[in-house]
Amino acid sequence: AQSVTQPDIHITVSEGASLELRCNYSYGATPYLFWYVQSPGQGLQLLLKYFSGDTLVQGIKGFEAEFKRSQSSFNLRKPSVHWSDAAEYFCAVARRSNDYKLSFGAGTTVTVRA
Amino acid sequence: DAGVIQSPRHEVTEMGQEVTLRCKPISGHDYLFWYRQTMMRGLELLIYFNNNVPIDDSGMPEDRFSAKMPNASFSTLKIQPSEPRDSAVYFCASSRTSGLTDTQYFGPGTRLTVL
Repeated sequence: AQSVTQPDIHITVSEGASLELRCNYSYGATPYLFWYVQSPGQGLQLLLKYFSGDTLVQGIKGFEAEFKRSQSSFNLRKPSVHWSDAAEYFCAVARRSNDYKLSFGAGTTVTVRA
Repeated sequence: DAGVIQSPRHEVTEMGQEVTLRCKPISGHDYLFWYRQTMMRGLELLIYFNNNVPIDDSGMPEDRFSAKMPNASFSTLKIQPSEPRDSAVYFCASSRTSGLTDTQYFGPGTRLTVL
C-alpha cells in the first residue's frame, strides 16, 4: 500500500524567509504527486503536480517542488513567503493507474510571523 | 465558474439523527469525490463517482453512510443514524473526464458536529 509522510506537523517562518516542506512517499513505483494548500475554513486548492518529465515543477503562488526518485521525496519550496501563505499544506500521491484515489499526508501547518 | 458548491457549510445535530450533505460539482466534470477530514485520520477518500455511477466506495466507513448521485449536477452523502465519531469536515471535489491527470477541485466543505 502506498503511504505519504509529512515529517513536520508545524513550521513557523518569518515573512520574506524561504520555506521548504518535506514529503516522502512509500510506493513500489513512481506515483503521481501533488501538493495542495488549505487556507482556514476553505477547501483544498492544488498548488502543483508531477506526473513525469522535468523533476522541478513550478506551481501557483510562487511555489515549486522537486521530485527526487532516489529519496522518494517531493519537497515543496518557496523562496520568499508572504503572510498570506499561512495555511495547511498537504502532499498527496496516487497510483499510476486508472485509479483516481488520492492518498494524503497528515499535513503541515505553516505559520508566518511578521 | 461558481466552483464546487456544498451545503450546508455547518451542521450540528444530535446522535441518532439523519444527516444529509449536498454537493454540486463544477459543470462538465464527470468525476465526483467525497472526502472526510478529521484530526485523527486526516483526509480520506470515502467514495467517488464517474458519470453518476459509484466506482469505489471502499472508503465508506460503514453501512450508516450512503452516497448517491441522481444526476450530473447533484450528489448527497447521508449518515443515518449519526454518531459523535462522525464529527468531521466533509469535502466534495470534482474533476473532468480525463481523470487523475486532471485537477480535483474541492468545495469549501461541510463541518459536521454530532452531539
